[in-house]
Amino acid sequence: EVNLVESGGALVQPGGSLRLSCVVSGFNFSVNWMTWVRQVPGKGLEWVGNIDNDGEETHYGASVEGRFAISRDNAKNSLFLQMNGLRPEDTAVYFCVRGWQWLVSWGQGTLVSVSS
Amino acid sequence: DIQMTQSPSSLSASVGDRVTISCQASQDISDSLNWYQQRPGRAPNLLIQDVAHLQPGFPSRFSGSGSGTNFALTINGLQPEDVATYYCQQFADLITVGFGPGTKVDLK
Repeated sequence: EVNLVESGGALVQPGGSLRLSCVVSGFNFSVNWMTWVRQVPGKGLEWVGNIDNDGEETHYGASVEGRFAISRDNAKNSLFLQMNGLRPEDTAVYFCVRGWQWLVSWGQGTLVSVSS
Repeated sequence: DIQMTQSPSSLSASVGDRVTISCQASQDISDSLNWYQQRPGRAPNLLIQDVAHLQPGFPSRFSGSGSGTNFALTINGLQPEDVATYYCQQFADLITVGFGPGTKVDLK
């Protein structure tokens, strides 16, 4: 069974940093691109960025470029999202997702709240 | 960047109705178009890939069509379990993807 479990969501002050983690099981993590998608509660989906299977290539959405960084540890079946310079508009549920064109498997999400 | 629009933003229909959701891309995306279903309180699920290929586990009352810039998701015979928000998503824009704003489907 495919499983993706995000963690690390928290309440953080504007300007702060946070690192999200996602541990996966049930599929060959090391051959899959991975994606982060976020969703403001009650609103639509926003693509955050993705990473290739080797961790050597990353791409980001314009709203997070230069502040967020995606990385992975294939030995530990883990995906990460380092978020710096957090803003109130970054408040959202963050989903870890398998794939980049076809987003085939999603975690349950972890909530990040940015507020003073 | 490719912009995606959806219409309507929400709709209410009766059980058994045929429901059609439209998705439009700001430029030609060929067949690089997927649909997702997000039930209330749940993560999205890939429903249809590459315009018309229904994912395993979803009933055949769901179908997708279109090409280029205009696409549609049709539910033939709406069921209570279809209450959800539906998103289109393009992947024609290099290595980035973009979502439509979503269409919320409720029961009348």
